[in-house]
Amino acid sequence: QVQLQESGPGLVRPSQTLSLTCTVSGGSIRSDVYYWSWLRQPPGKGPEWIGYIDYSGTTRYIPSLESRLTISVDTSKNQFSLSLTSVTAADTAVYFCARDRRSILDSWGQGILVTVSS
Amino acid sequence: DIQMTQSPSTLSASVGDSVTITCRASQDINGYLAWFQQKPGKAPKLLIYKASDLESGVPSRFSGRGSGTEFTLTINTLQPDDFATYYCQQYNYYWTFGQGTKVEIK
Repeated sequence: QVQLQESGPGLVRPSQTLSLTCTVSGGSIRSDVYYWSWLRQPPGKGPEWIGYIDYSGTTRYIPSLESRLTISVDTSKNQFSLSLTSVTAADTAVYFCARDRRSILDSWGQGILVTVSS
Repeated sequence: DIQMTQSPSTLSASVGDSVTITCRASQDINGYLAWFQQKPGKAPKLLIYKASDLESGVPSRFSGRGSGTEFTLTINTLQPDDFATYYCQQYNYYWTFGQGTKVEIK
């Protein structure tokens, strides 16, 4: 059974870059069946999908974040990562990584709270 | 953008009740609708996809139906473990979630 685990700093200063990594275990990230997504959930709100990557590096991002967002993959480590530049308080959220089974988000990491504050 | 609107926002029920949550999309989403359950401090858990297909391992008391822009999630015979927040999510064009329905104990 696949498991996903987010890691990274829980506090980021305004205008800095938020960087998170998702480690996949129990299955290979090198699959043409799955995409690998990032989502976030601000406190008290519903989740928001922000982007995905496949094992070859093909990406798709939500248009509202496209100018600040980069998702990358490291197949040798079975990991994929998120980088969000120029963060503000509006980027404070729990960030989740998830497996995308033909557009169905079927497995999620436990989530990591990232607070943007000085 | 496709907007998803759930009702009600909060639902009070007792163990053994049957409850129904409604989700409306701002445009036809071709049945590409999923339902998730989320408990405090946990990740959302997939319950149903393609409007009515039950994810493996999910109890059969959960059922979904609908088409076009209107969808429902029904939980039959509520169990103590079912008190949680439920989200609908469309995946016809990008992915967007509803604002959630909290099912609480009456």
